[in-house]
Amino acid sequence: EPEVTQTPSHQVTQMGQEVILRCVPISNHLYFYWYRQILGQKVEFLVSFYNNEISEKSEIFDDQFSVERPDGSNFTLKIRSTKLEDSAMYFCASSGGSGGGGGTDTQYFGPGTRLTVL
Amino acid sequence: DQQVKQNSPSLSVQEGRISILNCDYTNSMFDYFLWYKKYPAEGPTFLISISSIKDKNEDGRFTVFLNKSAKHLSLHIVPSQPGDSAVYFCAASSTGFQKLVFGTGTRLLVSP
Repeated sequence: EPEVTQTPSHQVTQMGQEVILRCVPISNHLYFYWYRQILGQKVEFLVSFYNNEISEKSEIFDDQFSVERPDGSNFTLKIRSTKLEDSAMYFCASSGGSGGGGGTDTQYFGPGTRLTVL
Repeated sequence: DQQVKQNSPSLSVQEGRISILNCDYTNSMFDYFLWYKKYPAEGPTFLISISSIKDKNEDGRFTVFLNKSAKHLSLHIVPSQPGDSAVYFCAASSTGFQKLVFGTGTRLLVSP
């Protein structure tokens, strides 16, 4: 069964460093997403990406964050200068796009990358 | 942001019995609802969904009920199995918007 994969599973970085989290969405999906879950809190939406551009983003997704689809298979989240409060599980998701990326479009999640900022 | 609430942080059920997980929402623009299951150190796994034009959707042991007037949905698992022990998240979305809004989750423990 096709699945979303993410690397690395755990990333430790120093405050102020740049990190890139990588995702390989399900191959025929058109919409891609990043979410995060700070320990003990809800899963929160960060950004969605369609047709090589951001289609929706939350207030969390500020100028420190960027996303890219550098080739036909990878989808990345970059945090330019990490802060302590960026420590969280980061989940990538993808959806087929049959529901226009929202509405009836089911999102399938990867296993997550645990980011620890020291 | 309390648009989606799961008021029970945990639920314990015996194997073979029914598990009922509840979810309330406040945003009347939500028109698609999903349930995800999550094991530790894994991502959310899609279980079942329901559109606002329906009031019930069934898939095997899992049934989701939607009461739009009460802005309430529930997930029924019958019969419950020990392998169902996990955290269950309710999520909602609106047509035209990509983001899913999640509840805080309910930890289900099914004991043999």
